[in-house]
Amino acid sequence: RKEVEQDPGPFNVPEGATVAFNCTYSNSASQSFFWYRQDCRKEPKLLMSVYSSGNEDGRFTAQLNRASQYISLLIRDSKLSDSATYLCVVTLYSNASKIIFGSGTRLSIQP
Amino acid sequence: DGGITQSPKYLFRKEGQNVTLSCEQNLNHDAMYWYRQDPGQGLRLIYYSQIVNDFQKGDIAEGYSVSREKKESFPLTVTSAQKNPTAFYLCASSTYSNQPQHFGDGTRLSIL
Repeated sequence: RKEVEQDPGPFNVPEGATVAFNCTYSNSASQSFFWYRQDCRKEPKLLMSVYSSGNEDGRFTAQLNRASQYISLLIRDSKLSDSATYLCVVTLYSNASKIIFGSGTRLSIQP
Repeated sequence: DGGITQSPKYLFRKEGQNVTLSCEQNLNHDAMYWYRQDPGQGLRLIYYSQIVNDFQKGDIAEGYSVSREKKESFPLTVTSAQKNPTAFYLCASSTYSNQPQHFGDGTRLSIL
């Protein structure tokens, strides 16, 4: 089993819709969680950190479920500009060698 | 503006040649990282450094070497021992190893 797994997609979603995807992790000792966005042929950019209590940033909501070992990202009122690959990242506390990037979920917003 | 600068943006390597990719940051971050990304794949860790004059191998260090002589600089050398070097190379930095990473805009390496 991979340490971090994401549905590769693509998720083809009409503009204005709500879309959600999950990322599962295998190590229960995982401590820090992040969502990154990567546009085609560009570098990943931090979208948001994921906190135990869940957090929201505008149209984006991230949640952590430690019992089931997954994090989720919800995008409301999707825009064409949301089309990208979304990477989840899981880290073990203070262990730089255990920063695991998921392979990403590709999202395509349709006009 | 603070950030991470990678150069060159595109690089071509001849067979048997070593090439060095530059990564400089002015964010005063302690930790720096090198990743490789192949088409349609996730990022794989090559090397990382948590402090000056110290670095550790990642998952795919074979055929690569690094140095960390200055806090702001973490160059990566792709040696001739790396038989499949064609990839997108990303450098990143963070304040500590469990904090969000900031990425440079990458170097695309191809074989001539």
